[in-house]
Amino acid sequence: EAGVVQSPRYKIIEKKQPVAFWCNPISGHNTLYWYRQNLGQGPELLIRYENEEAVDDSQLPKDRFSAERLKGVDSTLKIQPAELGDSAVYLCASSPGTSVSYEQYFGPGTRLTVT
Amino acid sequence: QQQVKQSPQSLIVQKGGISIINCAYENTAFDYFPWYQQFPGKGPALLIAIRPDVSEKKEGRFTISFNKSAKQFSLHIMDSQPGDSATYFCAARWGGATNKLIFGTGTLLAVQP
Repeated sequence: EAGVVQSPRYKIIEKKQPVAFWCNPISGHNTLYWYRQNLGQGPELLIRYENEEAVDDSQLPKDRFSAERLKGVDSTLKIQPAELGDSAVYLCASSPGTSVSYEQYFGPGTRLTVT
Repeated sequence: QQQVKQSPQSLIVQKGGISIINCAYENTAFDYFPWYQQFPGKGPALLIAIRPDVSEKKEGRFTISFNKSAKQFSLHIMDSQPGDSATYFCAARWGGATNKLIFGTGTLLAVQP
């Protein structure tokens, strides 16, 4: 079974530039999460999708961050414009739904460096 | 506000020794406590998890001890191996359908051969 796929793996941009990250969850997983992991810290949830619907985006900085999950499968997280403080690893995770399992399966992440 | 406190920040253990990582939480609404293992350049992977109605869970060399009254839980790695060298995160799940995880700050474990 293929895991969570993310691209790109690394991205270096200058501040004020836009950037986008892509995630393909495990097949059949209805729930998709985007996390941000700062250096030396644990992941922090940015947004959670149930199918196409963003059901928890309370931690998403909406002035510059946006996300979408068209057709309830792949998802894109965008930052525009990027700031120096956005440098982090952006992790995507998916899960089959709490009626099946609480486990979240993480992708390898995208390491963003803003210069 | 840090809701899950993890210690130590780093740990060095000799091969064959026992690694112990501790976590504490405050909110009694948490209903599931997983431990994740993360290698450099990889995403976190579930290692072992426990529910608060169980005091201990063992899977191979990994054991979670859970103290509900003290709101503390710990990961024990028996017979630690160099391949166990990684960062370990404890987490706590909010009860209900949200499946929201709150992670600790991580422990960098180095097992020396």
